[in-house]
Amino acid sequence: ETGVTQTPRHLVMGMTNKKSLKCEQHLGHNAMYWYKQSAKKPLELMFVYSLEERVENNSVPSRFSPECPNSSHLFLHLHTLQPEDSALYLCASSQDPEGFTYSPLHFGNGTRLTVT
Amino acid sequence: GENVEQHPSTLSVQEGDSAVIKCTYSDSASNYFPWYKQELGKRPQLIIDIRSNVGEKKDQRIAVTLNKTAKHFSLHITETQPEDSAVYFCAASIQYGGATNKLIFGTGTLLAVQP
Repeated sequence: ETGVTQTPRHLVMGMTNKKSLKCEQHLGHNAMYWYKQSAKKPLELMFVYSLEERVENNSVPSRFSPECPNSSHLFLHLHTLQPEDSALYLCASSQDPEGFTYSPLHFGNGTRLTVT
Repeated sequence: GENVEQHPSTLSVQEGDSAVIKCTYSDSASNYFPWYKQELGKRPQLIIDIRSNVGEKKDQRIAVTLNKTAKHFSLHITETQPEDSAVYFCAASIQYGGATNKLIFGTGTLLAVQP
């Protein structure tokens, strides 16, 4: 399969549960991202990994914990979430060599998360 | 902080008409401006982008214009078709801490093309 793949597509979890979102990219990119998409709001950047190192943590609460074991895989570990965390969580990847300032993002289909 | 404003939030046009979506950005250092299309239940997909060294770019029925002085850019869709119906997002890049760019997105425009 090509592109960016996210699993699961849908997730319902209670506030006390622990779950993980998975993202895999088959594009050979070296940067991966987590975005949150809520209704009537701009896409919010949560985390950025470049060459498997976290380069951005955009003031995200600690109940969201990212993990990037290699350049092809990205996880978002969730625990003790709140109902307002319900949203579509999008993973993306891009190719960002040193000194290159712009490269398109390739998004996955997202995980629709509902916190009850 | 940096932000991108996008207007209108909804746009309804008749098939065959043109559609224009406008965005303004706040950071004068922004140098890359992509547009993404997101159909219902699907992923955002890049449809066109423009770098700061050009003022206009066209790809078939889609064009983007950039005015760096005024810090605004626009998406133009001509001869609209029902399959153009989707949410369109503009974005502006902000480079930070190295080479990886960060995109600030607008709030999106829901385009409905009426047959």
